[in-house]
Amino acid sequence: DGGITQSPKYLFRKEGQNVTLSCEQNLNHDAMYWYRQDPGQGLRLIYYSQIVNDFQKGDIAEGYSVSREKKESFPLTVTSAQKNPTAFYLCASSLTRTGNYGYTFGSGTRLTVV
Amino acid sequence: GENVEQHPSTLSVQEGDSAVIKCTYSDSASNYFPWYKQELGKRPQLIIDIRSNVGEKKDQRIAVTLNKTAKHFSLHITETQPEDSAVYFCAASKGIWGNNRLAFGKGNQVVVIP
Repeated sequence: DGGITQSPKYLFRKEGQNVTLSCEQNLNHDAMYWYRQDPGQGLRLIYYSQIVNDFQKGDIAEGYSVSREKKESFPLTVTSAQKNPTAFYLCASSLTRTGNYGYTFGSGTRLTVV
Repeated sequence: GENVEQHPSTLSVQEGDSAVIKCTYSDSASNYFPWYKQELGKRPQLIIDIRSNVGEKKDQRIAVTLNKTAKHFSLHITETQPEDSAVYFCAASKGIWGNNRLAFGKGNQVVVIP
């Protein structure tokens, strides 16, 4: 399914709970990214990682955390500090080091606070 | 950081006509400019991209043009078909190893009227 898998497809969170969104790729891509998509807002960068054990904040990192312990995996935790977490979350990866900068996206996780 | 803007936000065209979407960017160091197509409920998919050393690139019915002096680039779709109806996102990055974070525009809804 495109080599990058996000799970679950739908996720419901209660107020005050942390939840973790999974992103796994088997494309041997070096870099991975998390974006948030809201209607009319485009895609906004939350966190990104160029190599294992290293990651940087994007434009809207507050209330989120990530880890990159393996090349294939880049999970995103939405913490209770994120005041408006309801959104569509997209994970992406890119090879980069060979000059191929295009992103491959996962199919997304729709998170709803109930 | 990089700021990417897209115009118009919505575009309706008759089937068979051409569609043009324009994007502007702010960072003169940006060197990589991709376009993504997102159909309803699906993941964004890369449809064409261009590097700063090229002024125009074509792939069948789609083309991208870049004007680095004016800091704008455009997507051209000729002989539009109903399956071209989607949201199109432009993006920009420095496109180098270690720094390939993409800044996206807010998207453009293209509707092809049969």
